[in-house]
Amino acid sequence: GAVVSQHPSWVICKSGTSVKIECRSLDFQATTMFWYRQFPKKSLMLMATSNEGSKATYEQGVEKDKFLINHASLTLSTLTVTSAHPEDSSFYICSARDPRTSIDTQYFGPGTRLTVL
Amino acid sequence: DAKTTQPTSMDCAEGRAANLPCNHSTISGNEYVYWYRQIHSQGPQYIIHGLKNNETNEMASLIITEDRKSSTLILPHATLRDTAVYYCIVFMNRDDKIIFGKGTRLHILP
Repeated sequence: GAVVSQHPSWVICKSGTSVKIECRSLDFQATTMFWYRQFPKKSLMLMATSNEGSKATYEQGVEKDKFLINHASLTLSTLTVTSAHPEDSSFYICSARDPRTSIDTQYFGPGTRLTVL
Repeated sequence: DAKTTQPTSMDCAEGRAANLPCNHSTISGNEYVYWYRQIHSQGPQYIIHGLKNNETNEMASLIITEDRKSSTLILPHATLRDTAVYYCIVFMNRDDKIIFGKGTRLHILP
């Protein structure tokens, strides 16, 4: 299957700082990527849809000014958690649609674990 | 809300076939059935998908009932590394987004 990477794998930061997470499609170009958040023992929750060259579409209840998404190229989407607080500590996962498949199968990155102190 | 119903958890002996059921009684004609799994602290891994016909790949087989209201994922020879949460998802692709339900936690017993 297609390869999607995330960087960093884990990050610890102080409350009030901003953290940027990168999501890359390594062997294909992705016009659409997705960002999810997962709390312990819970399922993945879709945060937003990231579209190359246009604004992201956020799910209800997700603050767009808090979670900044930039999809500047066909292989890179970034999620910036601004002014992070301990309640933002979570496992953040991205996915990307692979247009080479007949029905644009989505492949997921390995996730980024964010801990805010 | 997720459009599928799965058992919360299942056990399977190592080396045996693991059969994971999924109900999707409200599936529409152009929606696919997808299966992903998530091993602890990793991102979801794509397993298989299908529309109407049964499908098989190197990881698993997918059996879809004729009325498409349910399906079964089959791992033919389960190993300890197959311990994970398995998600059954239905969606249209391209213009649709994946909504995850709670999945089935599969325990492979030695």
